[in-house]
Amino acid sequence: GENVGLHLPTLSVQEGDNSIINCAYSNSASDYFIWYKQESGKGPQFIIDIRSNMDKRQGQRVTVLLNKTVKHLSLQIAATQPGDSAVYFCAENIRGYQKVTFGIGTKLQVIP
Amino acid sequence: DAGVIQSPRHEVTEMGQEVTLRCKPISGHDYLFWYRQTMMRGLELLIYFNNNVPIDDSGMPEDRFSAKMPNASFSTLKIQPSEPRDSAVYFCASSLGGQSGTDTQYFGPGTRLTVL
Repeated sequence: GENVGLHLPTLSVQEGDNSIINCAYSNSASDYFIWYKQESGKGPQFIIDIRSNMDKRQGQRVTVLLNKTVKHLSLQIAATQPGDSAVYFCAENIRGYQKVTFGIGTKLQVIP
Repeated sequence: DAGVIQSPRHEVTEMGQEVTLRCKPISGHDYLFWYRQTMMRGLELLIYFNNNVPIDDSGMPEDRFSAKMPNASFSTLKIQPSEPRDSAVYFCASSLGGQSGTDTQYFGPGTRLTVL
Protein backbone atom coordinates (compact mmCIF):
# COMPACT_ATOMS: atom_id res chain seq x y z
CA GLY A 1 0.00 0.00 0.00
CA GLU A 2 0.94 3.60 -0.26
CA ASN A 3 2.75 5.18 2.66
CA VAL A 4 1.13 8.08 4.37
CA GLY A 5 4.06 10.42 4.66
CA LEU A 6 4.66 13.72 6.37
CA HIS A 7 2.68 16.48 4.77
CA LEU A 8 5.35 19.10 4.17
CA PRO A 9 4.08 22.66 4.36
CA THR A 10 4.61 24.28 0.99
CA LEU A 11 5.25 27.93 0.25
CA SER A 12 4.89 29.16 -3.31
CA VAL A 13 6.55 32.48 -4.09
CA GLN A 14 6.91 34.51 -7.23
CA GLU A 15 10.48 35.03 -8.38
CA GLY A 16 11.79 38.33 -7.07
CA ASP A 17 9.43 38.44 -4.09
CA ASN A 18 10.54 37.95 -0.51
CA SER A 19 9.95 34.60 1.22
CA ILE A 20 9.26 34.01 4.88
CA ILE A 21 9.53 30.49 6.23
CA ASN A 22 8.37 29.89 9.77
CA CYS A 23 9.30 27.33 12.37
CA ALA A 24 8.07 26.56 15.86
CA TYR A 25 10.68 24.87 17.99
CA SER A 26 9.89 22.55 20.84
CA ASN A 27 12.49 22.82 23.59
CA SER A 28 12.56 25.99 25.68
CA ALA A 29 16.09 25.03 26.78
CA SER A 30 17.40 25.23 23.20
CA ASP A 31 19.83 28.08 22.76
CA TYR A 32 21.23 27.58 19.29
CA PHE A 33 19.22 27.44 16.08
CA ILE A 34 20.16 26.63 12.54
CA TRP A 35 18.50 26.79 9.14
CA TYR A 36 19.36 24.19 6.54
CA LYS A 37 18.45 24.03 2.86
CA GLN A 38 17.97 20.69 1.14
CA GLU A 39 17.78 20.56 -2.63
CA SER A 40 16.37 17.52 -4.37
CA GLY A 41 18.78 14.59 -4.25
CA LYS A 42 21.25 16.32 -1.94
CA GLY A 43 22.03 16.49 1.73
CA PRO A 44 21.00 19.44 3.90
CA GLN A 45 23.25 22.48 3.62
CA PHE A 46 23.86 25.05 6.34
CA ILE A 47 22.40 28.48 5.58
CA ILE A 48 22.54 30.55 8.72
CA ASP A 49 22.48 30.15 12.49
CA ILE A 50 21.57 32.22 15.51
CA ARG A 51 22.22 31.98 19.22
CA SER A 52 19.60 32.68 21.84
CA ASN A 53 21.27 35.90 22.97
CA MET A 54 20.29 37.44 19.64
CA ASP A 55 16.91 38.05 18.05
CA LYS A 56 18.07 38.77 14.52
CA ARG A 57 20.95 37.80 12.31
CA GLN A 58 21.54 38.68 8.68
CA GLY A 59 23.44 36.93 5.96
CA GLN A 60 23.58 37.35 2.24
CA ARG A 61 19.92 37.69 1.15
CA VAL A 62 18.82 35.77 4.25
CA THR A 63 17.73 36.93 7.68
CA VAL A 64 16.83 34.78 10.66
CA LEU A 65 14.54 36.09 13.39
CA LEU A 66 14.20 34.46 16.78
CA ASN A 67 11.35 35.00 19.22
CA LYS A 68 12.12 33.03 22.36
CA THR A 69 8.92 34.10 24.09
CA VAL A 70 6.78 32.11 21.70
CA LYS A 71 9.52 29.68 20.60
CA HIS A 72 9.37 30.83 17.02
CA LEU A 73 12.02 31.07 14.35
CA SER A 74 11.73 32.49 10.87
CA LEU A 75 13.89 32.61 7.77
CA GLN A 76 13.48 35.49 5.38
CA ILE A 77 14.86 35.25 1.87
CA ALA A 78 15.06 38.48 -0.07
CA ALA A 79 14.46 38.60 -3.83
CA THR A 80 13.73 34.90 -4.08
CA GLN A 81 15.34 33.14 -7.03
CA PRO A 82 14.56 29.82 -8.77
CA GLY A 83 17.71 28.38 -7.17
CA ASP A 84 16.12 28.92 -3.77
CA SER A 85 13.58 26.19 -4.49
CA ALA A 86 14.25 23.51 -1.89
CA VAL A 87 13.08 22.14 1.44
CA TYR A 88 14.12 24.30 4.37
CA PHE A 89 14.64 22.83 7.83
CA CYS A 90 15.00 24.60 11.10
CA ALA A 91 17.03 22.82 13.76
CA GLU A 92 17.51 23.42 17.46
CA ASN A 93 20.29 22.56 19.84
CA ILE A 94 21.36 23.04 23.43
CA ARG A 95 24.81 24.53 23.90
CA GLY A 96 27.24 21.90 25.07
CA TYR A 97 25.50 19.09 23.24
CA GLN A 98 26.22 18.14 19.67
CA LYS A 99 22.79 16.58 19.11
CA VAL A 100 20.59 18.68 16.85
CA THR A 101 16.84 18.20 16.46
CA PHE A 102 15.39 18.93 13.02
CA GLY A 103 11.89 20.13 12.22
CA ILE A 104 9.84 18.52 9.46
CA GLY A 105 10.75 21.13 6.86
CA THR A 106 8.99 23.54 4.55
CA LYS A 107 9.05 23.19 0.81
CA LEU A 108 9.70 26.45 -1.04
CA GLN A 109 8.56 26.61 -4.65
CA VAL A 110 9.68 29.60 -6.68
CA ILE A 111 7.45 30.48 -9.59
CA PRO A 112 9.43 31.97 -12.50
CA ASP B 1 38.17 19.76 0.78
CA ALA B 2 35.89 17.24 -0.91
CA GLY B 3 33.31 17.43 1.85
CA VAL B 4 31.67 14.43 3.45
CA ILE B 5 31.86 11.42 1.14
CA GLN B 6 29.32 8.63 1.23
CA SER B 7 29.16 5.39 -0.68
CA PRO B 8 27.33 3.89 -2.34
CA ARG B 9 24.98 6.64 -3.55
CA HIS B 10 22.28 4.11 -4.31
CA GLU B 11 21.78 0.61 -2.98
CA VAL B 12 19.07 -1.82 -3.94
CA THR B 13 18.96 -5.08 -2.06
CA GLU B 14 16.61 -7.86 -1.14
CA MET B 15 15.05 -8.38 2.24
CA GLY B 16 17.32 -10.34 4.53
CA GLN B 17 20.55 -9.21 2.95
CA GLU B 18 23.28 -7.34 4.81
CA VAL B 19 23.79 -3.72 3.82
CA THR B 20 26.85 -1.63 4.63
CA LEU B 21 26.89 2.12 4.14
CA ARG B 22 30.15 4.02 4.25
CA CYS B 23 31.18 7.51 5.21
CA LYS B 24 34.34 9.56 5.10
CA PRO B 25 34.01 12.73 7.20
CA ILE B 26 35.71 16.01 6.52
CA SER B 27 39.34 15.80 7.59
CA GLY B 28 39.89 17.26 11.04
CA HIS B 29 36.27 17.00 12.13
CA ASP B 30 35.85 15.36 15.53
CA TYR B 31 32.15 14.51 15.29
CA LEU B 32 30.39 12.16 12.94
CA PHE B 33 26.62 11.69 12.69
CA TRP B 34 24.40 9.15 10.95
CA TYR B 35 20.87 10.25 10.02
CA ARG B 36 17.96 8.57 8.30
CA GLN B 37 15.42 10.49 6.24
CA THR B 38 12.01 9.13 5.29
CA MET B 39 8.74 10.67 4.23
CA MET B 40 7.12 9.12 7.29
CA ARG B 41 9.49 10.41 9.97
CA GLY B 42 11.57 13.16 8.41
CA LEU B 43 15.24 13.47 9.37
CA GLU B 44 16.20 11.34 12.38
CA LEU B 45 19.52 11.11 14.17
CA LEU B 46 20.57 7.47 14.52
CA ILE B 47 23.94 7.72 16.23
CA TYR B 48 26.88 10.06 16.61
CA PHE B 49 30.57 9.68 17.41
CA ASN B 50 33.14 11.93 19.04
CA ASN B 51 36.75 11.12 18.29
CA ASN B 52 35.67 7.70 16.97
CA VAL B 53 33.75 6.83 20.15
CA PRO B 54 29.96 6.36 19.99
CA ILE B 55 28.34 8.98 22.23
CA ASP B 56 24.62 8.57 21.67
CA ASP B 57 23.04 5.63 19.85
CA SER B 58 19.54 6.12 21.24
CA GLY B 59 18.21 6.73 17.74
CA MET B 60 19.31 3.35 16.39
CA PRO B 61 16.00 1.65 15.68
CA GLU B 62 16.87 -1.97 16.38
CA ASP B 63 19.67 -4.42 17.00
CA ARG B 64 19.72 -5.00 13.27
CA PHE B 65 21.47 -1.65 12.99
CA SER B 66 25.07 -1.17 14.01
CA ALA B 67 27.64 1.55 13.39
CA LYS B 68 31.37 1.64 13.76
CA MET B 69 34.12 4.19 13.42
CA PRO B 70 37.44 2.36 13.34
CA ASN B 71 39.41 5.54 12.67
CA ALA B 72 38.96 9.27 12.24
CA SER B 73 38.42 9.06 8.50
CA PHE B 74 35.95 6.22 8.13
CA SER B 75 32.63 5.04 9.50
CA THR B 76 30.15 2.35 8.55
CA LEU B 77 26.47 1.83 9.19
CA LYS B 78 25.41 -1.78 8.83
CA ILE B 79 21.94 -3.27 8.63
CA GLN B 80 21.68 -7.01 9.05
CA PRO B 81 19.24 -8.40 8.09
CA SER B 82 17.66 -5.63 6.06
CA GLU B 83 13.89 -5.18 5.82
CA PRO B 84 11.70 -3.21 3.39
CA ARG B 85 10.90 -0.66 6.11
CA ASP B 86 14.60 0.24 6.23
CA SER B 87 14.23 1.85 2.81
CA ALA B 88 15.26 5.48 3.24
CA VAL B 89 18.01 7.96 2.49
CA TYR B 90 20.85 7.67 4.97
CA PHE B 91 23.01 10.73 5.56
CA CYS B 92 26.35 11.05 7.20
CA ALA B 93 27.42 14.42 8.60
CA SER B 94 30.49 15.69 10.39
CA SER B 95 31.34 18.71 12.48
CA LEU B 96 34.44 20.27 13.89
CA GLY B 97 33.26 20.39 17.49
CA GLY B 98 33.79 23.96 18.64
CA GLN B 99 34.61 25.09 22.16
CA SER B 100 31.01 26.19 22.55
CA GLY B 101 29.98 22.57 22.26
CA THR B 102 27.97 23.12 19.12
CA ASP B 103 29.21 23.42 15.60
CA THR B 104 27.84 23.40 12.10
CA GLN B 105 27.18 19.94 10.70
CA TYR B 106 28.17 19.30 7.10
CA PHE B 107 26.17 16.64 5.35
CA GLY B 108 27.18 14.15 2.70
CA PRO B 109 25.07 13.50 -0.42
CA GLY B 110 23.34 10.52 1.17
CA THR B 111 22.82 6.87 0.28
CA ARG B 112 19.40 5.98 -1.07
CA LEU B 113 18.61 2.48 0.18
CA THR B 114 15.84 0.40 -1.29
CA VAL B 115 15.07 -2.95 0.30
CA LEU B 116 12.80 -5.11 -1.85
